[in-house]
Amino acid sequence: TQLLEQSPQFLSIQEGENLTVYCNSSSVFSSLQWYRQEPGEGPVLLVTVVTGGEVKKLKRLTFQFGDARKDSSLHITAAQPGDTGLYLCADLNRDNYGQNFVFGPGTRLSVLP
Amino acid sequence: GAGVSQSPRYKVAKRGQDVALRCDPISGHVSLFWYQQALGQGPEFLTYFQNEAQLDKSGLPSDRFFAERPEGSVSTLKIQRTQQEDSAVYLCASSLGQGRSAFFGQGTRLTVV
Repeated sequence: TQLLEQSPQFLSIQEGENLTVYCNSSSVFSSLQWYRQEPGEGPVLLVTVVTGGEVKKLKRLTFQFGDARKDSSLHITAAQPGDTGLYLCADLNRDNYGQNFVFGPGTRLSVLP
Repeated sequence: GAGVSQSPRYKVAKRGQDVALRCDPISGHVSLFWYQQALGQGPEFLTYFQNEAQLDKSGLPSDRFFAERPEGSVSTLKIQRTQQEDSAVYLCASSLGQGRSAFFGQGTRLTVV
């Protein structure tokens, strides 16, 4: 059974600061996804990465996928209060039944104005 | 519809009561997932449908949990004889098919008192 770990568990920073959160898997990712979940809402997909070493940028967010496809990082530049939320990494787990998504426990980010 | 819709948004049930949670997926999405998210945790997989077929129910925690999708669109998650440990947010997600990105609803927050 694949296990995903995320660190740090909690992060509180001031507006304008930079930050990096991490996701590690006990096995090679099939298709790594990053989500952001705001309080009272469902997770919203930010990015999907599949190729080892891949770097994707989404405005102030930079996603890196490790060469061995077992780890990933999300870097936010000049954080804003609107970035506050739970950041989840997930893998698409294909098995004999079809598929499901395996989620990490998340990093809860709070950006203070 | 434009997105995945879940109802009710909030449900308070007395211990021992049966509840039914509804999910309206995005029109045309063949894959549908149910997840359970405890407070401060990432979503945990419950069950997966492809059209009307329930291909994987390995995540359902007990035989008190039952899900159906009789016509391959709307799905209902039923919990019989609710217990306090069932208190959580229940998330529904849908996707166009195997390997495609999943879109989540806002969830139903179930509180068992």
